[in-house]
Amino acid sequence: DAGVTQSPTHLIKTRGQQVTLRCSPKSGHDTVSWYQQALGQGPQFIFQYYEEEERQRGNFPDRFSGHQFPNYSSELNVNALLLGDSALYLCASSLGWEGNTEAFFGQGTRLTVV
Amino acid sequence: LAKTTQPISMDSYEGQEVNITCSHNNIATNDYITWYQQFPSQGPRFIIQGYKTKVTNEVASLFIPADRKSSTLSLPRVSLSDTAVYYCLVGGMNYGGSQGNLIFGKGTKLSVKP
Repeated sequence: DAGVTQSPTHLIKTRGQQVTLRCSPKSGHDTVSWYQQALGQGPQFIFQYYEEEERQRGNFPDRFSGHQFPNYSSELNVNALLLGDSALYLCASSLGWEGNTEAFFGQGTRLTVV
Repeated sequence: LAKTTQPISMDSYEGQEVNITCSHNNIATNDYITWYQQFPSQGPRFIIQGYKTKVTNEVASLFIPADRKSSTLSLPRVSLSDTAVYYCLVGGMNYGGSQGNLIFGKGTKLSVKP
């Protein structure tokens, strides 16, 4: 049973560019959440998708957007990249969006903006 | 959501028992206490969750006093592979945050030495 898979594992982008990160949830899970983790900090919640809709959003600008597909996989898009967007981006999946089931995290995508 | 306070770092030796205490003075009646473990360049992994008294699983024990204003994660006989960052989370729903939004602090960096 595959867990949460994210791609790519590493990415280098130039300031001002756009980036798309991908996540496949654990088998049987229907909810995907995205987190940003800066070096030395805990993960910060970006947003959560359930039934192809954004259900919750953290304190992130509109440059951060997402999508969930009918097969429950998800994408995180970041436009107009800033140096401060350099971080580990984590995807977590769970069953149901109410938070009452365990969340499983992927290995993350390390994004470096130069 | 209740704020949590943990030590920034702790050192231990192989074979010792490690206790990491988390303060959450403003914990609400319906809040659960959850601990996650994170290795470098990996996503966080659920360790244990509790509401009151003591919870034990194959990995750790969680002690919660009657006033629930603090909790202690106990790792028995640590090994080098237990070197990681440990996060204490307090949230209004079973398994983490309110409606699936997990609120991470900076965590406690545990270093286990031979």
